[in-house]
Amino acid sequence: TQLLEQSPQFLSIQEGENLTVYCNSSSVFSSLQWYRQEPGEGPVLLVTVVTGGEVKKLKRLTFQFGDARKDSSLHITAAQPGDTGLYLCVRHNNDMRFGAGTRLTVKP
Amino acid sequence: DADVTQTPRNRITKTGKRIMLECSQTKGHDRMYWYRQDPGLGLRLIYYSFDVKDINKGEISDGYSVSRQAQAKFSLSLESAIPNQTALYFCATSSGGSWNEQFFGPGTRLTVL
Repeated sequence: TQLLEQSPQFLSIQEGENLTVYCNSSSVFSSLQWYRQEPGEGPVLLVTVVTGGEVKKLKRLTFQFGDARKDSSLHITAAQPGDTGLYLCVRHNNDMRFGAGTRLTVKP
Repeated sequence: DADVTQTPRNRITKTGKRIMLECSQTKGHDRMYWYRQDPGLGLRLIYYSFDVKDINKGEISDGYSVSRQAQAKFSLSLESAIPNQTALYFCATSSGGSWNEQFFGPGTRLTVL
């Protein structure tokens, strides 16, 4: 059973476009992380969000944690080919659970 | 040099064979983890260890065993491999800080025929 739903599962866009991917659950998270995984490599942490309503920015990436701490979004502005990868959300409660990920392809 | 290394990077084996995947880390972390990744399912935790004398089952431990030989080494064994264990396997470490950032190795692609 998937405790975290990530959408969309696949996304292919042109360089320069904006995009948003989502991570949703029916249960409350104590905290949530976003990782990016590039082909042939392990995931790498992008951000951790803890407080409901929190917004964090990492260059062109904006992460938001929902007010009720059940969902999160990742918005990328002016996507670049280097943003290509699998974006994974990870929720923390008593354990860590990964979502299945959104596979993003940014075409030049 | 990479902080978390895994050997082998690729392995093809046959049903019923015993396989060991090895993980080493130079980050000095106490916590180590083994995950498997399957398309559409994300990463699922197999086993984890918080120090050399500590072994804990994760979400999908059946068919696997682990050994924590030292702080820096954590190996995963498949005693009798079966085809549905074909997957990408990742080792990770963490310091156990508040938000438990995990540092992953490059993965081992295992195919069981």
